Amino acid sequence: KNQVEQSPQSLIILEGKNCTLQCNYTVSPFSNLRWYKQDTGRGPVSLTIMTFSENTKSNGRYTATLDADTKQSSLHITASQLSDSASYICVVGEGKSTFGDGTTLTVKP
Amino acid sequence: DVKVTQSSRYLVKRTGEKVFLECVQDMDHENMFWYRQDPGLGLRLIYFSYDVKMKEKGDIPEGYSVSREKKERFSLILESASTNQTSMYLCASRGTGNYGYTFGSGTRLTVV
Repeated sequence: KNQVEQSPQSLIILEGKNCTLQCNYTVSPFSNLRWYKQDTGRGPVSLTIMTFSENTKSNGRYTATLDADTKQSSLHITASQLSDSASYICVVGEGKSTFGDGTTLTVKP
Repeated sequence: DVKVTQSSRYLVKRTGEKVFLECVQDMDHENMFWYRQDPGLGLRLIYFSYDVKMKEKGDIPEGYSVSREKKERFSLILESASTNQTSMYLCASRGTGNYGYTFGSGTRLTVV
């Protein structure tokens, strides 16, 4: 069964600090991995998309990495801001993609 | 930018009512999806469509149906709403060869 597991489930950090969110997947066949940011009460918004051949992708202060051998991805947020408070969702595959349950990040002043 | 518009942000319906959730996208995407999102359960796929008049069941289709009469519009229908269908409903679209979904803002449905 295809699965995407994200950790930690929730995280609290101080403004200005860095953090890293993890995504482990067992999805076959693998085609791509995407990270989304979802603000409370809103729909998810795409942050990064990576295919099998890519191992790093940046979008401003967000940097995603992919290790296709170990089937792990991470999302690194640099110099966090209050507006980074959201749920971050890892999604793997095409068609009936497999979604992780998300990591809820709270950035405190 | 692709826009996916869901007709209502908040909706309150009574048990047994027939409920229509509408979703419209403006970028000529072939694929459209309906998800529900509940705390602790993540996003779960209800139905998806890869072409006009085509539909495929997702992981939790029971109690729902869909309609795609035009490429830009994908409707989710709750035939007889029940309280366990209280949830956040998210519509998404994706073009062929485009790996990313574009989501709507969601409809928070409460069935009383």
